[in-house]
Amino acid sequence: AQSVTQLDSQVPVFEEAPVELRCNYSSSVSVYLFWYVQYPNQGLQLLLKYLSGSTLVKGINGFEAEFNKSQTSFHLRKPSVHISDTAEYFCAVSPWMDDKIIFGKGTRLHILP
Amino acid sequence: DVKVTQSSRYLVKRTGEKVFLECVQDMDHENMFWYRQDPGLGLRLIYFSYDVKMKEKGDIPEGYSVSREKKERFSLILESASTNQTSMYLCASKGGSYEQYFGPGTRLTVT
Repeated sequence: AQSVTQLDSQVPVFEEAPVELRCNYSSSVSVYLFWYVQYPNQGLQLLLKYLSGSTLVKGINGFEAEFNKSQTSFHLRKPSVHISDTAEYFCAVSPWMDDKIIFGKGTRLHILP
Repeated sequence: DVKVTQSSRYLVKRTGEKVFLECVQDMDHENMFWYRQDPGLGLRLIYFSYDVKMKEKGDIPEGYSVSREKKERFSLILESASTNQTSMYLCASKGGSYEQYFGPGTRLTVT
């Protein structure tokens, strides 16, 4: 079975400061990894995904994430946040050859002026 | 662009009513999913469908059923709504790529 742990339920950060949202996963099989973003009163939108190859993946809106197989982590980073980044962020894994995705419980990013 | 639409953004129903939530995707995807989202619990899979008339239970199917008569449409049914089914319901679809595409969600309140 797979599981996803997002270590912080809420992260406050000042505008223009860097941010890291942490994600660890557990799986006995190889997985694909995703970060989704949910803006207030909207559905989820894909930020980025890791399928294979380079462990550093770049996504939309200046976000990037690094896959670390030995630490089973997939942390999300942005060097400088904006007020428009206020949202909830979900880390997710999908086992190879499976159509289902397992989501973490989400991290709410608060941008402070 | 993939588009997933849900029939209502907000819905208020009474306890015991039968409730239908509709989801339509326009990309000919085989797989469709229904999740509920609650604060602090993330997204939990209710049901998914991998083809027309095919369905599989997710993690929390109790109190729900689904219908998929056409490839583009996946319906979630609450046979007798209860207050503990007050939640945000999200529909998603998935084709040959690896990610799921989500609709805007339906916020259901059962009073």
